Amino acid sequence: DAKTTQPPSMDCAEGRAANLPCNHSTISGNEYVYWYRQIHSQGPQYIIHGLKNNETNEMASLIITEDRKSSTLILPHATLRDTAVYYCIVRVAGVSSGSARQLTFGSGTQLTVLP
Amino acid sequence: SQTIHQWPATLVQPVGSPLSLECTVEGTSNPNLYWYRQAAGRGLQLLFYSVGIGQISSEVPQNLSASRPQDRQFILSSKKLLLSDSGFYLCAWSTTGNTIYFGEGSWLTVV
Repeated sequence: DAKTTQPPSMDCAEGRAANLPCNHSTISGNEYVYWYRQIHSQGPQYIIHGLKNNETNEMASLIITEDRKSSTLILPHATLRDTAVYYCIVRVAGVSSGSARQLTFGSGTQLTVLP
Repeated sequence: SQTIHQWPATLVQPVGSPLSLECTVEGTSNPNLYWYRQAAGRGLQLLFYSVGIGQISSEVPQNLSASRPQDRQFILSSKKLLLSDSGFYLCAWSTTGNTIYFGEGSWLTVV
């Protein structure tokens, strides 16, 4: 069973904020929300992660709802280089093989930034 | 800062030939190292996991093997490739910070 649900595709105008939603209604208390993105034929790039508080770094912001059943990745000023497939994943903390195995990457959201 | 490199980026190998993909991590000590394979539908599968030199955990029984001869070096190998081994192979690393970081990937086509 998929642990996250994302829209298959989204468009965003260059310079505008891109808001990518993710539903994870069955998330457990010890599971983090991770976001990666992947440009075709390249390795996945880590973006951000969070447990229950909103997080921000130089790439993006992560907004997690109070009940933790959904989250939104925000790219504040999208550029053409942000065109990629974005993956939302939930996984437990720690560096066990079980945690690494959870990094399965489903279908993700194809974000296309338009000029 | 930490960096990860894997090579070769692409290779085409005949069925029955050997394989060696190499991965190195710089800027960190005693990382956890991983090999993943990404299928055409973008699903990611964990193949091998290593917590230290010579310590390899195999996740999926298959035609591949992994070795970790040095702290920051991880090698994916096969003695005889199968057509089904074709795919996009990703090396990755993590430390106690939990986040897993990926290399650039290696495209393998077995013909």
